[in-house]
Amino acid sequence: DAEITQSPRHKITETGRQVTLACHQTWNHNNMFWYRQDLGHGLRLIHYSYGVHDTNKGEVSDGYSVSRSNTEDLPLTLESAASSQTSVYFCASSGGRDQPQHFGDGTRLSIL
Amino acid sequence: QKEVEQDPGPLSVPEGAIVSLNCTYSNSAFQYFMWYRQYSRKGPELLMYTYSSGNKEDGRFTAQVDKSSKYISLFIRDSQPSDSATYLCAMGRPGGTSYGKLTFGQGTILTVHP
Repeated sequence: DAEITQSPRHKITETGRQVTLACHQTWNHNNMFWYRQDLGHGLRLIHYSYGVHDTNKGEVSDGYSVSRSNTEDLPLTLESAASSQTSVYFCASSGGRDQPQHFGDGTRLSIL
Repeated sequence: QKEVEQDPGPLSVPEGAIVSLNCTYSNSAFQYFMWYRQYSRKGPELLMYTYSSGNKEDGRFTAQVDKSSKYISLFIRDSQPSDSATYLCAMGRPGGTSYGKLTFGQGTILTVHP
């Protein structure tokens, strides 16, 4: 079965460190998305991509970057981790812009 | 005002009850609608997807869309303890710079007790 896998599932790091969260999907979807989920804010879009070499900023993109070198992967990088970036991060993909998104099980990131 | 409003609950019901979950939205450009279920420490899981007004049924779940009132609902019949989760509504609009992105409600926490 096709799926979307995020790694690591949990991570603890220190402020100022660079952190990369992995997202890999086997749906062969062109569209991929990164969200963070926080109490009181729901799901907020960080970055998204509509195809290889395409990346776009979402509503909370400051301090984050992505790159898309193939269809399957969209890694999310925190350039210099801040405590405000402690959150649960979800990756999603969709097969078309009017199609539903399918989510991974998330990465729980703590920045101390 | 948020584009999508969803009562956060929490909602607690006895097993077997009919559950009604609701979202209202302000932007008439939204044309397709989804409901997701999210268990604790898991990602959102798609339950229902619809592109039109009216009802769509899948087992114990019915999604209802009323575009004229800008209101969507999810009904769960014969609710089970395994339905205990957070339910998220989501919606999207075709065309323009937002095409492909979804706007989510805040989620409603549902507990079904035996």
